[in-house]
Parts: sequence; C-alpha cells; structure tokens
Amino acid sequence: DQQVKQNSPSLSVQEGRISILNCDYTNSMFDYFLWYKKYPAEGPTFLISISSIKDKNEDGRFTVFLNKSAKHLSLHIVPSQPGDSAVYFCAARGRSATNKLIFGTGTLLAVQP
Amino acid sequence: DAGVIQSPRHEVTEMGQEVTLRCKPISGHDYLFWYRQTMMRGLELLIYFNNNVPIDDSGMPEDRFSAKMPNASFSTLKIQPSEPRDSAVYFCASSSVPGYGYTFGSGTRLTVV
Repeated sequence: DQQVKQNSPSLSVQEGRISILNCDYTNSMFDYFLWYKKYPAEGPTFLISISSIKDKNEDGRFTVFLNKSAKHLSLHIVPSQPGDSAVYFCAARGRSATNKLIFGTGTLLAVQP
Repeated sequence: DAGVIQSPRHEVTEMGQEVTLRCKPISGHDYLFWYRQTMMRGLELLIYFNNNVPIDDSGMPEDRFSAKMPNASFSTLKIQPSEPRDSAVYFCASSSVPGYGYTFGSGTRLTVV
C-alpha cells in the first residue's frame, strides 16, 4: 500500500515558467515532509522540507505548500531552469518512534530551454 | 567527508547467484538505511539500523534478502539466490538525525539475468 503517492510520473515545462510537482499521502500521522531531487547515476539529495505545523516553506526558487486537510503537498519551482531537470521524490516521516522516511514513486521533471 | 560510499556501482549477475552490496556510512551517523528504487514502487525502504542494530526490516521482500552491520562503518545487503525481479538500483543512506534528511550514496545498479 503506497502511503505517499506521486501520480504524475513526468512533467515538462518551459524554461522560466513555473513547475508544480504534486504529492498526496494517506497517513494522517505524518508530521514532516521532504522533497528530494535526483540526477541520473546519483543518489537523491535533500531539497526542501516542511513541518506539519506550517503550510508553506520557501527557499529561493523553491516553495513547498502543505494542505493537511487534503493530505496534499506541492513543490513550486519559479522560475524553472534547465538544471532543474531531474527526478523529484516526495517523502514523509511518521510521528511515532520509528524514524524512517516513506518515499513516493517520483516525478521526472524536464525543463525545456 | 567523502559522503556515503557504496560498492560496486554496477553489478551484473546470473539468476541464482549470490550478490553482496556494500555501504560505508558517513562517520558519526548512527542511522543507516537500505532503499531500493524501482519504477513501480519508487524508493522503497528495505531495512534500517540504529547503532548497528536492525530496527525495522519489514520492507525486506523475502528470506532471500539479508542485511548486516558488523560495525559503525560498514553494512552489507545480500541477496541469495538472486532473481531477475531483484534488478533495481539499491541505495544506502545514513543520518545523524533521521527524519530530517538523509545523505544517500550513489547507488548500486543491480541487473540479474
């Protein structure tokens, strides 16, 4: 059972425009959410995170929005750049003693020059 | 620090053979995680260790998979016997404060023919 879902396997955006990547989760006990970025032949790297007590977190061109009632979060990239082309993974952490992150299936973002 | 180091980078083996994947975490990180990346399931947690002790192995697919962490600087993931459906990229990650972001290795791409 996939607790963290990324329903769009791929997304194509023009350079300079906004990229919006979406993520849905099913477990209301998740209290912390993260986005990771992965280039080919490399491991995922941390991008941005948000606590469940917030609804928005911004870091430069990257903003993550959290809608707890809808169990939905999104990552906005503005403006998009060709170097942003990568696979983006959404991840969630439970509130219990276990410290593991549950990842989604990923979305491949292609930013066209 | 050299980061999380995984070996080998690529492994091609025949069905039925034993495969051993290796990981050296970042020094001082008490948590070590093994993930498997597939198109269908994304990044799937297999097992994680805290202070060299396995904490949660509920993601290990079956008895053919085993993992050990004999000391703080080394872990192995073994598949015996290997099957074609085990073909995937296997990532190791370590963390000092789990849930707030892991550091991933570059992964081992396993192909079982």
